[in-house]
Amino acid sequence: GNSVTQMEGPVTLSEEAFLTINCTYTATGYPSLFWYVQYPGEGLQLLLKATKADDKGSNKGFEATYRKETTSFHLEKGSVQVSDSAVYFCALNWSSNTGKLIFGQGTTLQVKP
Amino acid sequence: GAVVSQHPSWVICKSGTSVKIECRSLDFQATTMFWYRQFPKQSLMLMATSNEGSKATYEQGVEKDKFLINHASLTLSTLTVTSAHPEDSSFYICSAGQQGANTEAFFGQGTRLTVV
Repeated sequence: GNSVTQMEGPVTLSEEAFLTINCTYTATGYPSLFWYVQYPGEGLQLLLKATKADDKGSNKGFEATYRKETTSFHLEKGSVQVSDSAVYFCALNWSSNTGKLIFGQGTTLQVKP
Repeated sequence: GAVVSQHPSWVICKSGTSVKIECRSLDFQATTMFWYRQFPKQSLMLMATSNEGSKATYEQGVEKDKFLINHASLTLSTLTVTSAHPEDSSFYICSAGQQGANTEAFFGQGTRLTVV
């Protein structure tokens, strides 16, 4: 079946460090891929998305490229800030019924000053 | 982006009582709404899909008689946790979207339910 696997956290970085959070997926067909961010006590916010192979999603300095050959959608940021501390979820949508997402387990990012 | 409002943001109730959580799309019509549950330090698990005017579709293992979902209009879906027990304590999040491939779904801010 369809699934999403993320690297385990927590990930602890110093401010201005480079961030990579790995995400791989298993899916039939051609899913859309998403990264969501959840700040403490809040709901989910869409961070970026990619709808087809080789697409690159980007937002707020974060990037992720849809790699069909490696079934991956790794999240990267060149220089993290303390305000980036949150839980990051990789997700896929395999159907036209948007919103029906399968989530990875989430990765907690802690950025220290 | 579009706004989805979830209410209440937190609730504490006694065992055996029922709790209703509302999910509203404020500036668009949501043909479909989804309800997720999130346990501490875990991911979101889809509970059910509700389409306006029809019965909700529940995921395997979710008790439909315990988690009643109503989607009476294009802007409102409700989740009622009936006869709540402490193990129902969790973070419940709704999302709302429109029919169509690859369009974004928008999430509510979530409801923290604590059953004592």
